[in-house]
Amino acid sequence: AQSVSQHNHHVILSEAASLELGCNYSYGGTVNLFWYVQYPGQHLQLLLKYFSGDPLVKGIKGFEAEFIKSKFSFNLRKPSVQWSDTAEYFCAVIHGSGNTGKLIFGQGTTLQVKP
Amino acid sequence: EAQVTQNPRYLITVTGKKLTVTCSQNMNHEYMSWYRQDPGLGLRQIYYSMNVEVTDKGDVPEGYKVSRKEKRNFPLILESPSPNQTSLYFCASSFVPPGELFFGEGSRLTVL
Repeated sequence: AQSVSQHNHHVILSEAASLELGCNYSYGGTVNLFWYVQYPGQHLQLLLKYFSGDPLVKGIKGFEAEFIKSKFSFNLRKPSVQWSDTAEYFCAVIHGSGNTGKLIFGQGTTLQVKP
Repeated sequence: EAQVTQNPRYLITVTGKKLTVTCSQNMNHEYMSWYRQDPGLGLRQIYYSMNVEVTDKGDVPEGYKVSRKEKRNFPLILESPSPNQTSLYFCASSFVPPGELFFGEGSRLTVL
């Protein structure tokens, strides 16, 4: 079965530190990839997505992610985090064929940014 | 305003008492889906629908039912709730093929 793995369950950083959250998926075919963010007490919102083209994707709030097909990875990065980035982050994958609605989420990574 | 609306937002019920969580979207999205969120497990897909009258199982469909009679509505039905269905539930919608999901505010369900 397809799966999505997020390596870091809980990350604590100081403001201005750089962030990288790992995401690996198991499906070998064409995939569409997403990162969602869930701020405390809120619903999930899209940070960025990759369907095709440039494997380096830029999203909102200074986040970016790089798709590395050979490593089945889609890691999220931010050069300098802020206290307001404290949230839970989810990687998600869906087959790129578009004929399936099975969107699979990772377990999530809780990011705590200390002021 | 574009939104996905879930009701109720909070519910405490007892084992075996049938309940329905409603979900409605106003964006004319074909795709709708239900997820449950549990600590350490992330979001797990319960059911999804690619269009009206088309539904399919996600990863954890046991104990749940859905229907898609209208494009805008996708209710989640728990015929006989059990304590292991205590969770935070999210409804989401999107155009097809599923791209950016728009999520509802969540429904926190406790089954005693």
